[in-house]
Amino acid sequence: DAGITQSPRHKVTETGTPVTLRCHQTENHRYMYWYRQDPGHGLRLIHYSYGVKDTDKGEVSDGYSVSRSKTEDFLLTLESATSSQTSVYFCAISESTRNGYEQYFGPGTRLTVT
Amino acid sequence: GQQVMQIPQYQHVQEGEDFTTYCNSSTTLSNIQWYKQRPGGHPVFLIQLVKSGEVKKQKRLTFQFGEAKKNSSLHITATQTTDVGTYFCAGPGVEYGNKLVFGAGTILRVKS
Repeated sequence: DAGITQSPRHKVTETGTPVTLRCHQTENHRYMYWYRQDPGHGLRLIHYSYGVKDTDKGEVSDGYSVSRSKTEDFLLTLESATSSQTSVYFCAISESTRNGYEQYFGPGTRLTVT
Repeated sequence: GQQVMQIPQYQHVQEGEDFTTYCNSSTTLSNIQWYKQRPGGHPVFLIQLVKSGEVKKQKRLTFQFGEAKKNSSLHITATQTTDVGTYFCAGPGVEYGNKLVFGAGTILRVKS
């Protein structure tokens, strides 16, 4: 497995509270991604990063923000958590986005918003 | 927007039976990737197909990319309990800088 860790692995929080999820990689890959996984929807891209301080929105970015101050760390923040953000969150990395790149996924964070 | 659709959503087979999942894109794809996620685990890359009509095999798994590069399939011969999991296809999404757009996945259960 690629060197990707996510923290925390499990979190229960209340509606309206801020939450930050962390993704850490030791592979020095340029690209990092945050996905959420919900039954019947597969993996949906929230935000991605193509370098330090370079980020962009994905398919379901509303209610989420990200930051990347170092190559190895990509943070996902829910400014004010809602029940609809209850999900499993996966971080992924890749070397490139050209043809031939594959993504390596972290172990996931299960977030429950009550 | 671009959609990647997979069928069936769920399949339960007897061990030893064959299994096929199909992936269809609303747009032509430059390449398609397949991932497997074991129950409770994370997605793991299986393979990438790039050429029109391409066929690749990995032991009991056969992957095909359609001639029009809009569809793909994964066929497993003689399923085993180790094949249990969710299989996702994914293709570059033109709306998000070619970042991957995943299908909803096919859940495979194998009864021994």
